[in-house]
Amino acid sequence: ETGVTQTPRHLVMGMTNKKSLKCEQHLGHNAMYWYKQSAKKPLELMFVYNFKEQTENNSVPSRFSPECPNSSHLFLHLHTLQPEDSALYLCASSQELGRHGYTFGSGTRLTVV
Amino acid sequence: DAKTTQPPSMDCAEGRAANLPCNHSTISGNEYVYWYRQIHSQGPQYIIHGLKNNETNEMASLIITEDRKSSTLILPHATLRDTAVYYCSGGYSTLTFGKGTMLLVSP
Repeated sequence: ETGVTQTPRHLVMGMTNKKSLKCEQHLGHNAMYWYKQSAKKPLELMFVYNFKEQTENNSVPSRFSPECPNSSHLFLHLHTLQPEDSALYLCASSQELGRHGYTFGSGTRLTVV
Repeated sequence: DAKTTQPPSMDCAEGRAANLPCNHSTISGNEYVYWYRQIHSQGPQYIIHGLKNNETNEMASLIITEDRKSSTLILPHATLRDTAVYYCSGGYSTLTFGKGTMLLVSP
């Protein structure tokens, strides 16, 4: 356990489904991040939150909708995904934005069918 | 954020030192160099970071050239459990990752 917990670990969803990924950390970190890792591709930064406020959206399609209700929790709401969205979705946290001792969760392996 | 270049793969014999290079010629003066590793299907794990000086911790050593355009991660006595993809990254507010180096440690 790294201190960053992601659920579920695996998810299979149809293209018309709506699902949510959850990330939780009790490390006292104030910045949280969503990354996407597709097969044989580098990690892609999707969203950044600092003190619950979104500070970065890297041109992510609107079918991905993040939510950060507090500094300890981060969600990624998914709807009408495409098969090419199948990937490992990783959540990370750090003490502050710009303090890069990131702690990553184990990820959610998403398969869109 | 700095663009990084790493060899796609490296081999190392168990018990020997593994030296993993990274070029980050576009790094700016206030960007740290970070190293992470990712074991298959797990999240990346922080290893070490530095700005100008060489750094050492219980996992590894980091050697940064004086011009800061490249660095080397050293695993002094590689074990089979060190087999992983190693990422070098540079950034200021957020981190970006390249394709990394797949290090294979063999008996």
